[in-house]
Amino acid sequence: SQTIHQWPATLVQPVGSPLSLECTVEGTSNPNLYWYRQAAGRGLQLLFYSVGIGQISSEVPQNLSASRPQDRQFILSSKKLLLSDSGFYLCAWGRGTQETQYFGPGTRLLVL
Amino acid sequence: AQKITQTQPGMFVQEKEAVTLDCTYDTSDQSYGLFWYKQPSSGEMIFLIYQGSYDEQNATEGRYSLNFQKARKSANLVISASQLGDSAMYFCAMRGADSNYQLIWGAGTKLIIKP
Repeated sequence: SQTIHQWPATLVQPVGSPLSLECTVEGTSNPNLYWYRQAAGRGLQLLFYSVGIGQISSEVPQNLSASRPQDRQFILSSKKLLLSDSGFYLCAWGRGTQETQYFGPGTRLLVL
Repeated sequence: AQKITQTQPGMFVQEKEAVTLDCTYDTSDQSYGLFWYKQPSSGEMIFLIYQGSYDEQNATEGRYSLNFQKARKSANLVISASQLGDSAMYFCAMRGADSNYQLIWGAGTKLIIKP
């Protein structure tokens, strides 16, 4: 069966510091991968998606970036965090025509 | 443009009663998919049920069923015999034919089950 992991679970970072969140998927190959952000009490905002290694599409211009160095690894990064980057970050994978997306446990990021 | 609307920001329901969570959608695509997810306080987004636009039968998964009314562009989630563990945020989402597999999300409904 497929599983998706995210780490860290919680992160507190000062403004201006770098960020690296990691997401890995097990039990499937060549998945579509997604990064979402969810502000408190709000819906999901798609940040990036990837259909293959090295292929990244950005949905929202911002100071975040994403990379996919391996088939089942998706990384969200920032060189300098802003207060507005605080939120709950969810990674998801999907495949097939139905394209149900399955989510990881998420990372809560607080930028102070 | 594609859009999902969930008009109920919050709902209180007595335990063991049935619950209907509303979802309407807007799309010009002929082929699309509709999804419901549950997000408990832990934060993880849990897939509940899927309905394809060409599916003739309403989708069912255990206590969850999707009341799909294509002409009205609605895809309401029905939870039968609600349980305390059903308390959570519920999100409706849609994938269109030309969406590059992206999901369009509603704002969510917070469901609280009362004992």
